[in-house]
Amino acid sequence: GAGVSQTPSNKVTEKGKYVELRCDPISGHTALYWYRQSLGQGPEFLIYFQGTGAADDSGLPNDRFFAVRPEGSVSTLKIQRTERGDSAVYLCASSLRNSGGSPLHFGNGTRLTVT
Amino acid sequence: GQQLNQSPQSMFIQEGEDVSMNCTSSSIFNTWLWYKQDPGEGPVLLIALYKAGELTSNGRLTAQFGITRKDSFLNISASIPSDVGIYFCAGYHGSSNTGKLIFGQGTTLQVKP
Repeated sequence: GAGVSQTPSNKVTEKGKYVELRCDPISGHTALYWYRQSLGQGPEFLIYFQGTGAADDSGLPNDRFFAVRPEGSVSTLKIQRTERGDSAVYLCASSLRNSGGSPLHFGNGTRLTVT
Repeated sequence: GQQLNQSPQSMFIQEGEDVSMNCTSSSIFNTWLWYKQDPGEGPVLLIALYKAGELTSNGRLTAQFGITRKDSFLNISASIPSDVGIYFCAGYHGSSNTGKLIFGQGTTLQVKP
């Protein structure tokens, strides 16, 4: 079956611009996660959805970052007034349920470059 | 924030050799996961561990959940060139039942044919 799909795979934008990154989770997975991975580092948690609601957004770095999942499936991560420090690979993952033991299945990420 | 200390940071080995890497935490984790990431791709789950002391194998890979719940190791036996990549440990903090998976900083493995 299809895995987690993320689009675009690469995004180059100018400082100050607005970007949207899309994630299509595995069908039937109720939990969806966004992580950010900087070069040479492990992924860092941003936000987690259970269904349509954000259950934990404690990893969002500031109010320029926002994510939605209006129908409990596809999710969009939105970044306003982008800064060069936002450059990273943004990974989306989904899992079958939201329990602490449910493994995450990751997409291939969107590589965001802010110039 | 919560940190997982993963070591070694990198390894360069000969094909056929065994590999061992580990992960430690200052606090308890109730699940340990090991992922592998290839360039340009997302992490792929290798092994999941759910109970202290659990020893689980997946082909040439073996991982254990430490008795103290504060550590885990991953062994790869008889390495082959396709084992090249970055290996991450990850875990759910003992007090958390949400999706906030904490990752180590990764071990980069290079295999010389």
